[in-house]
Amino acid sequence: NAGVTQTPKFQVLKTGQSMTLQCAQDMNHEYMSWYRQDPGMGLRLIHYSVGAGITDQGEVPNGYNVSRSTTEDFPLRLLSAAPSQTSVYFCASSYRTIRGTGELFFGEGSRLTVL
Amino acid sequence: KNQVEQSPQSLIILEGKNCTLQCNYTVSPFSNLRWYKQDTGRGPVSLTIMTFSENTKSNGRYTATLDADTKQSSLHITASQLSDSASYICVVSPNLNTGTASKLTFGTGTRLQVML
Repeated sequence: NAGVTQTPKFQVLKTGQSMTLQCAQDMNHEYMSWYRQDPGMGLRLIHYSVGAGITDQGEVPNGYNVSRSTTEDFPLRLLSAAPSQTSVYFCASSYRTIRGTGELFFGEGSRLTVL
Repeated sequence: KNQVEQSPQSLIILEGKNCTLQCNYTVSPFSNLRWYKQDTGRGPVSLTIMTFSENTKSNGRYTATLDADTKQSSLHITASQLSDSASYICVVSPNLNTGTASKLTFGTGTRLQVML
């Protein structure tokens, strides 16, 4: 049972480069999301999706794009990397309930460094 | 603004000892409060989820308590083990009744180190 799989685990980029962080889940969860984790700060929501074809912005969406063409996959695209995007990125998924998110299942994280 | 504050920021205890981590929140209206454990270099893993009607919930040596009146929660770890060394994150979810999940508020975590 793989759960939530993120790739790559580590990536170094130069300012201005673009890349895609991959996220896949095999639990048939409707809800998927991307967070970034920075020292001294709580996890912050970048983008989220409540189902295939539906995405929305979170707290810190600037500089990132997402799409949700299937239930399983939710890639995060960095359009033009900046040093401020150096962070650890987590993908998470859950069932939806009438009162909001069910239990969140997180991937192992992708550590991104932008030089 | 909804906030979640955790204390202490860090804690060192000896193996076998008990400890209690605190979480205060201002999220309202409140739906549920979650505790996650995050090992270094790993993703957070859920320990407990409590709704406003639950006062206490256990998961092995982990016991979470909730006082929805004072907006406080605690996570008590009994007979600590080296494997308990991790960050513990408190997360609060508002009651939206909309099915959306965008409003979770995360605390910054308490880093626990258990030593021999």
